Amino acid sequence: GDSVTQMEGPVTLSEEAFLTINCTYTATGYPSLFWYVQYPGEGLQLLLKATKADDKGSNKGFEATYRKETTSFHLEKGSVQVSDSAVYFCALSPPGGYQKVTFGTGTKLQVIP
Amino acid sequence: EAGVAQSPRYKIIEKRQSVAFWCNPISGHATLYWYQQILGQGPKLLIQFQNNGVVDDSQLPKDRFSAERLKGVDSTLKIQPAKLEDSAVYLCASSLAGTNTGELFFGEGSRLTVL
Repeated sequence: GDSVTQMEGPVTLSEEAFLTINCTYTATGYPSLFWYVQYPGEGLQLLLKATKADDKGSNKGFEATYRKETTSFHLEKGSVQVSDSAVYFCALSPPGGYQKVTFGTGTKLQVIP
Repeated sequence: EAGVAQSPRYKIIEKRQSVAFWCNPISGHATLYWYQQILGQGPKLLIQFQNNGVVDDSQLPKDRFSAERLKGVDSTLKIQPAKLEDSAVYLCASSLAGTNTGELFFGEGSRLTVL
């Protein structure tokens, strides 16, 4: 079945550092790929998405590129802020059908001043 | 626009007791999901509704969990009897049907502790 594998956390960075959170997936066909974020005390919310190969999703300074050849969707940000401290989830949804969304285990990011 | 509403936010029960969680999705969202998120893990889909029909309940432990979505709007998830391993956050999410964008809108969750 479909699955998502994320790098384990927690990840601790200093403010303004470069961030990469790795995500790889297993799925048939061309799924849509997502990054969701969960800030402390809040529900999950969509951060960015890409729906076909080579697409780049971006939002709030975060970017991720859909790489079909490596089945990856790594999350990057050039300069993190303390307010980016959260748990980040990679997810996928298979093409067609009823939008069944499968999540990875999450990566906790802590940014220190 | 009002978001996904869930209640209660917190619930503590003893094992073998029962509990029910309620979810009100965003108005107009035909698809409703219940996920279970155990501490340190990603959300796991328990059941997915399209209007008031079940689309996927393959990971729902049907001997103790049940869910319904009467009239295609609100939904209730019940656990009876609860086990220690049911301690988790139960997340409700909704989405527009037919877009297949995968964008789910989540509530804040209901945290269950089973003692």
